[in-house]
Amino acid sequence: EVVLTQSPGTLSLSPGERATLSCRASQSVSRSYLAWYQQKPGQAPRLLIHGASSRATGIPDRFSGSGSGTDFTLTISRLEPEDFAVYYCQQYGSSPRFGQGTRLEIK
Amino acid sequence: QVQLQESGPGLVKPSETLSLTCNVSGASISSYYWSWIRQPAGKGLEWIGRLYTSGRTDYNPSLKSRVTMSVDTSKNQFSLKLSSVTAADTAIYYCAREDPIWGWFDPWGQGTLVTVSS
Repeated sequence: EVVLTQSPGTLSLSPGERATLSCRASQSVSRSYLAWYQQKPGQAPRLLIHGASSRATGIPDRFSGSGSGTDFTLTISRLEPEDFAVYYCQQYGSSPRFGQGTRLEIK
Repeated sequence: QVQLQESGPGLVKPSETLSLTCNVSGASISSYYWSWIRQPAGKGLEWIGRLYTSGRTDYNPSLKSRVTMSVDTSKNQFSLKLSSVTAADTAIYYCAREDPIWGWFDPWGQGTLVTVSS
């Protein structure tokens, strides 16, 4: 089974800065089956990116996804105050798995 | 606009069965796959299982022996039962629509907290 490891565990940045979040898989994952979610306190996760690089409906273009094989990245080009949250990657399979999450906090 | 809403008891006693229902509005439940996902307080997300409206199910191997999912197409809702619960099953339980081809989850219900305690 695939294990997803996200890094860093916590990322401290200021609004306006660029955020780079990593998701590494224990074995190769098809790009088509890699997604990213944002979760704010007290809320359900929200789909941001599917197919490794396709933004979900209504997601601002400051969010972008890239990567292939075992290494995937979520980039937020210029952080807005509402972007500080926890981010999860997820791979599709017979038993879908999530990474442990990266907490993006205000510096 | 598709919306999902979980419902069920917020408190379950140890060794009993947790039962939750997810009501789907804005879309026919017959057209997609449907999943349950849980999240213990302050922790990450764990997929519990998925339901195809044909009746076929897939469950997380770690929970398989205790999980049953079912669908009621007449009410446009699906359900989760988790038996022999312990404190480790205390979590927020989410229902979500799963894309049948690419496997991403969207949308999600708001979640419901289930606490296992005597």
